Amino acid sequence: SQQGEEDPQALSIQEGENATMNCSYKTSINNLQWYRQNSGRGLVHLILIRSNEREKHSGRLRVTLDTSKKSSSLLITASRAADTASYFCAWTGIQGAQKLVFGQGTRLTINP
Amino acid sequence: EAGVAQSPRYKIIEKRQSVAFWCNPISGHATLYWYQQILGQGPKLLIQFQNNGVVDDSQLPKDRFSAERLKGVDSTLKIQPAKLEDSAVYLCASRFTGGSGGELFFGEGSRLTVL
Repeated sequence: SQQGEEDPQALSIQEGENATMNCSYKTSINNLQWYRQNSGRGLVHLILIRSNEREKHSGRLRVTLDTSKKSSSLLITASRAADTASYFCAWTGIQGAQKLVFGQGTRLTINP
Repeated sequence: EAGVAQSPRYKIIEKRQSVAFWCNPISGHATLYWYQQILGQGPKLLIQFQNNGVVDDSQLPKDRFSAERLKGVDSTLKIQPAKLEDSAVYLCASRFTGGSGGELFFGEGSRLTVL
């Protein structure tokens, strides 16, 4: 499949805990992005990390990228009930550079 | 700034009928995408436009799906005839630049149910 994998498929944690989601892809990439999707809504861009970057932060979000392992992780610290959503990684390959391919997503539930 | 507009939000049809979805991207965004998202899965790219030209339609089932972007602004995605497996959310997204990188802005989606 052209799409990679996200792990875990579903994650349920208590409010205040940290949540980590992992993404693996299959091609050489220009960049990798993470998106959030609330139930019944469109996707919202969270953060972009370029292939020459190893780590990036944005507020409570921390993204890492390991191009040698073709993997990325998204860490959400001090989770809140409002973080409950599905999270998708997506990447732009080197060839056909404009095409954004999405992973299968991780469904995150934050319990109050 | 107005976001990506899509209509209708919901559509229920019977198999073999036809349906059309409309998308108006953010003003000035040259690149427009249509994605299909089946329940529980990630979005799958159907077609990508750069202005009014097709950049990638390799995963568009061309025997039943068609899309156009006249004048390089809004776009229409049509399915004719629909099959049960076409039940999904059809997401439209736009991006300012056609080059690599850059975030996509998504509409709320059009949810299609085929009975």
